[in-house]
Amino acid sequence: DGGITQSPKYLFRKEGQNVTLSCEQNLNHDAMYWYRQDPGQGLRLIYYSQIVNDFQKGDIAEGYSVSREKKESFPLTVTSAQKNPTAFYLCASSIDRRGQETQYFGPGTRLLVL
Amino acid sequence: GIQVEQSPPDLILQEGANSTLRCNFSDSVNNLQWFHQNPWGQLINLFYIPSGTKQNGRLSATTVATERYSLLYISSSQTTDSGVYFCAVEREDTGRRALTFGSGTRLQVQP
Repeated sequence: DGGITQSPKYLFRKEGQNVTLSCEQNLNHDAMYWYRQDPGQGLRLIYYSQIVNDFQKGDIAEGYSVSREKKESFPLTVTSAQKNPTAFYLCASSIDRRGQETQYFGPGTRLLVL
Repeated sequence: GIQVEQSPPDLILQEGANSTLRCNFSDSVNNLQWFHQNPWGQLINLFYIPSGTKQNGRLSATTVATERYSLLYISSSQTTDSGVYFCAVEREDTGRRALTFGSGTRLQVQP
């Protein structure tokens, strides 16, 4: 089945630790996105990538880093510089062609700080 | 950046009732999408609708781009419609190809 997978479903981080969230898609989509959702809030854009080896900062990129070495994969690293990382993280992808930008979301990763 | 406001913030319905959710945005857009987030957090795209009207079963959506608003209609609501409905837009004529989300309408459908 085609879709977007995220792992792990739950992730625990200790103070000062970097953690990496995985996002993989087999939809052959060009564009991929990372969002953060806090309880009772909407989604905020962290980073996005329209093509392999290129990515752009979103609204809340500080304390996060990404890479896009393969079309199918867009991992997100939450660094120790992110002081309040507890949130629900959602990955999405789209074809990124005018008129067909429907975004499809993965199931999300819940990150908790110990 | 572009502002996206959704109303009402919360809505409680009895099963079988109809409802209208509204999304206002502050600037011209070339992309507008409606999403449903279920209680487990999964987001499902309902409509890609930068302008015009679309229908899918009991759901329909209308975007009036010139007046900067979109409406999502839910008819004959069911308990499975519960969750949060988000409107998201992409501002026109910018280099940024990504969506800005509203804060959502939380819908609870009671049996």
